[in-house]
Amino acid sequence: DQQVKQNSPSLSVQEGRISILNCDYTNSMFDYFLWYKKYPAEGPTFLISISSIKDKNEDGRFTVFLNKSAKHLSLHIVPSQPGDSAVYFCAASKDYKLSFGAGTTVTVRA
Amino acid sequence: NAGVTQTPKFQVLKTGQSMTLQCAQDMNHNSMYWYRQDPGMGLRLIYYSASEGTTDKGEVPNGYNVSRLNKREFSLRLESAAPSQTSVYFCASRRRGYLGQYFGPGTRLTVT
Repeated sequence: DQQVKQNSPSLSVQEGRISILNCDYTNSMFDYFLWYKKYPAEGPTFLISISSIKDKNEDGRFTVFLNKSAKHLSLHIVPSQPGDSAVYFCAASKDYKLSFGAGTTVTVRA
Repeated sequence: NAGVTQTPKFQVLKTGQSMTLQCAQDMNHNSMYWYRQDPGMGLRLIYYSASEGTTDKGEVPNGYNVSRLNKREFSLRLESAAPSQTSVYFCASRRRGYLGQYFGPGTRLTVT
């Protein structure tokens, strides 16, 4: 039973516009949430995280929003750049063990 | 620093064969992890080692064994490979007190 879900397998966005990636979770015991980025033939790389006691965390062009009551988080990328084309995984942490969503493939169009 | 390295990069096995996937990290991290990634499933935790000398089962441990050989190395063994174990396998490590995990480049395994 998947505890972390990314319901959009793919997202296409024009360069310079905002990319919004969504993630839902079922386990209220998760204490941190993370986003990872993955290029083909490489391992995932850590992008940004948020504690369950926060509702927003920002790092440059990347902002993660957490809505605990809805068990929902989102990643905003502004502005989107061609190098952002990758697979993005949402992950939730409990006791330092991660549960991952299935990923969203982002394509940034010139 | 090489970070997290995995060998081999690709492997094809016949059903019933055994093999060991190797993982090493040079970042002096305490914790290490093995995941598998299947289409539409994300990454699923197979086994992890919180520190040298300890190993624990993750979400999908059946058909696998692990060895934490020392602080640097964490290997994953398939004793009798099955087609259902066709997947991409990722090793990761984590520094104590830090949330993020560092991943290796993966091993693509096909079992025919």
